[in-house]
Amino acid sequence: DIVMTQSPLSLPVTPGEPASISCRSSQSLLHSNGHNYVDWYLQKPGQSPHLLIYLTSNRASGVPDRFSGSGSGTDFTLKISRVEAEDVGVYYCMQGLQPPYTFGQGTRLEIK
Amino acid sequence: QLQLQESGPGVVRPAEPLSLSCSVSGASISSSNYAWAWFRQPPGKGPEWVATIYNSGRTNYNPSLNSRVTISVDTSKNQFSLNLNSVTAADTAIYYCARRRLAGTCFDFWGQGALVTVSP
Repeated sequence: DIVMTQSPLSLPVTPGEPASISCRSSQSLLHSNGHNYVDWYLQKPGQSPHLLIYLTSNRASGVPDRFSGSGSGTDFTLKISRVEAEDVGVYYCMQGLQPPYTFGQGTRLEIK
Repeated sequence: QLQLQESGPGVVRPAEPLSLSCSVSGASISSSNYAWAWFRQPPGKGPEWVATIYNSGRTNYNPSLNSRVTISVDTSKNQFSLNLNSVTAADTAIYYCARRRLAGTCFDFWGQGALVTVSP
C-alpha cells in the first residue's frame, strides 16, 4: 500500500495568517497521463469529509480561492493564504492513484 | 441537488454480517460518469477506503478486509450497498458512502455517515 505522511499533525493559526500542510507519499503519484493523483479533504467537526482539491491543484466546486494545492511525484502541499475561523477541522491528503486509496494521518487546524 | 443517505442497523453482534445501504437522490446511479464507494472511520481515527463499484460492474476492495466485503448496486432503487461478514469490534466505525467522479478521479460528494457499533 502507498503510505501517506502528513506534517504537521497540529496546526494552530491566527486568523488572517497563512497556513501550509505537507503530504509525502511512499511512492510517486504521477500517472502516465501527467497528473499527480493527490486529493485534499477537510473534515469539519461533526461532519463528513468534503473535497477541497483534486489532482494536486484543482479546487473543487465552491472552494474559496484562498486554498491552493501544489506538488509533484512524492511531495505535495496544501496552502491557505489567509486562514478564517470556518477553516477549522482536520485536513487529509489522499492518494487516488491505485487501490487501496490511502489517507494521511490528518492535520488538525485550530484557531489561536 | 445530490444527496447520499446511508442506512444501517446501528448495532451488530460480533461474528454476524453487517449490511448498509446508500440511497442516491439527485443523480442516476447508472451514470457512466461516476462510480460509487464506501469509506469508514473508526472513532478518533482517519478515514479508510473500503470499496468502489463502477458502472461496468467492476469492483475494487481494500485488501485489509480480505474477502469479507461485497459492494453492489441496485439500479431499480438508485442505491448501492455494502455487506461485511464476520464483524468484530474493529469494524466499529462511521460508514460513509461517496461518489467518485471519474473526470478528476476524486470523491466529490459524501453522505453524512452511519455509525455502526459492533457489540454483544
